[in-house]
Amino acid sequence: SQTIHQWPATLVQPVGSPLSLECTVEGTSNPNLYWYRQAAGRGLQLLFYSVGIGQISSEVPQNLSASRPQDRQFILSSKKLLLSDSGFYLCAWSQYQETQYFGPGTRLLVL
Amino acid sequence: SQKIEQNSEALNIQEGKTATLTCNYTNYSPAYLQWYRQDPGRGPVFLLLIRENEKEKRKERLKVTFDTTLKQSLFHITASQPADSATYLCALGDGNKLVFGAGTILRVKS
Repeated sequence: SQTIHQWPATLVQPVGSPLSLECTVEGTSNPNLYWYRQAAGRGLQLLFYSVGIGQISSEVPQNLSASRPQDRQFILSSKKLLLSDSGFYLCAWSQYQETQYFGPGTRLLVL
Repeated sequence: SQKIEQNSEALNIQEGKTATLTCNYTNYSPAYLQWYRQDPGRGPVFLLLIRENEKEKRKERLKVTFDTTLKQSLFHITASQPADSATYLCALGDGNKLVFGAGTILRVKS
């Protein structure tokens, strides 16, 4: 069966520090991969998605970036965090562009 | 502009009653629509998918309708239980992506 992992589960970072969040998927090949951010009490905002290795589509211009160095690995990065980057970050995968399966999420607090 | 709207206020119902949640959209022509459940501090979990040529889909106590003329989907939970309390998100298919609504909080009281 398929499994999706995200780490870390929680993170507290100072403003201006770098960020690296990792997401890996097991049990499937060539999935579509997605990064979302969810602010407290709000809906899901799609940040990036990828349909293959090295292929990244950005949905929202900001100080975040994403990379897909391997088929089942998706990384979200920032060189300098802003206060507004705080939120709940979710990674998801899908096959055939339909149902998405979400990871457990990373709660990021930027102080 | 494109918009997805779900009941902004929480829905409070009594155990055993039917909960009905609404998802309205504008300026989309989705090939399918999905409903997800999200518990606090967790990622969303897929519940049901309904395609544009389907009027209704059922799964156990869940029922979804999809009216492409009204641009609306209704999500029903029959014989609701306190364990059904969660946030329910609708999502529209948009190419490689899903576009999510903000969600509706459902509280089922015993």
